[in-house]
Amino acid sequence: QVQLQESGPGLVKPSETLSLTCTVSGGSISGYSWSWIRQPPGKGLEWIGNIYYSGTTNYNPSLKSRVTLSLDTSLNQFSLKLRSVTAADTAIYYCSRETLNAFRGIIVFDYWGQGNLVTVSS
Amino acid sequence: DIQMTQSPSSLSASVGDRVTITCRASQSISSYLNWYQQKPGKAPKLLIFGASSLQSGVPSRFTGSGSGTDFTLTISGLQPEDFASYYCQQSYSMSHTFGGGTKVEIK
Repeated sequence: QVQLQESGPGLVKPSETLSLTCTVSGGSISGYSWSWIRQPPGKGLEWIGNIYYSGTTNYNPSLKSRVTLSLDTSLNQFSLKLRSVTAADTAIYYCSRETLNAFRGIIVFDYWGQGNLVTVSS
Repeated sequence: DIQMTQSPSSLSASVGDRVTITCRASQSISSYLNWYQQKPGKAPKLLIFGASSLQSGVPSRFTGSGSGTDFTLTISGLQPEDFASYYCQQSYSMSHTFGGGTKVEIK
């Protein structure tokens, strides 16, 4: 059973960089794309970006200038860096696996981490 | 960017009711539409993919329909465990987007 676990600081100061890591267990990081998704408290879901196991990345245009995704296949981990954070970046950050459903030819988020609440505050 | 608009944002219903949630895309996304259920304090869970295909293990009271720009999620015979938030999500473009969510509450 594939499991994902986010890790990183729960508190980040304004203007600093938010850094989170997602560790994948029960399966290989290879062959899949991996996403970060966030959810401000009491609000909806926002896709941040994804990284393919080859290292190719795609970002939400609204966050692209501040986001960097990376991965380490040897550690079965992928990471998120979000620069110049403000209070508006306070959210639960989820990591998720993207799978291509061959039957319908559609990408789905099939495995999720439990989420990591990050608060931006001085 | 493709915008996804869900309605209503919340609804109240009783056990046994039939509930319908709609999702509209700002441009045609064919059937590249998924639905997720999220319970408080938990990560979202995939319910329906490709607009109408039921994810393994999901009860058959959940059905999805639509294509192009207009989609619906229907719960036939609402159960106590169905009170949750529901999100649509498009995978048509490389920049995936979610709808704003619909919270289904107990009447």
